[in-house]
Amino acid sequence: AQKITQTQPGMFVQEKEAVTLDCTYDTSDQSYGLFWYKQPSSGEMIFLIYQGSYDEQNATEGRYSLNFQKARKSANLVISASQLGDSAMYFCAMREGGTSYGKLTFGQGTILTVHP
Amino acid sequence: DSGVTQTPKHLITATGQRVTLRCSPRSGDLSVYWYQQSLDQGLQFLIQYYNGEERAKGNILERFSAQQFPDLHSELNLSSLELGDSALYFCASSLRGDLFQPQHFGDGTRLSIL
Repeated sequence: AQKITQTQPGMFVQEKEAVTLDCTYDTSDQSYGLFWYKQPSSGEMIFLIYQGSYDEQNATEGRYSLNFQKARKSANLVISASQLGDSAMYFCAMREGGTSYGKLTFGQGTILTVHP
Repeated sequence: DSGVTQTPKHLITATGQRVTLRCSPRSGDLSVYWYQQSLDQGLQFLIQYYNGEERAKGNILERFSAQQFPDLHSELNLSSLELGDSALYFCASSLRGDLFQPQHFGDGTRLSIL
């Protein structure tokens, strides 16, 4: 089974509008971390936001927020007031404990295109 | 700028050759991770080092090896290169090696095997 599922291969949004990128995860661990990364066409991986499994409040970082629904095992990224520079590939990732300790498991990514 | 430095940015070589990729972590970070990104496999974890010791291992091929030096920089050695090794190789670092810290990625080394 996929550990991280991003069901939207591509998303389009108008500049200045909000957009939600979906992410569901699968783990039996109680302790885990959820992360979102942005990869522009230039190739670098940029850390955006983090949510710990014990965090009760949704994480926010500027225009990014993480809609964490633990019971549904979802960790959707919300980008408010989209900008042209937000056009990129977005990856959801998870770190678990146990023998998987250390590694990030990534989803397949969602390509976001922001239209002017 | 993440603070993680990877060299070289691009590497072109032939099958059967050996290459070394270098990574300098962010100042103060003790943990270094290596990932491979390819079109067919996506982003795959290779190996993690913490303060000079191997901490976790992914599906790293036997032809690949890594180490972290006393100054905390790390090197990934790829030998007997095959066409399928062509990929973007990322190094990432974090302060410690635990779950609740983000990993900050370098810009990657793009390896092309001809």
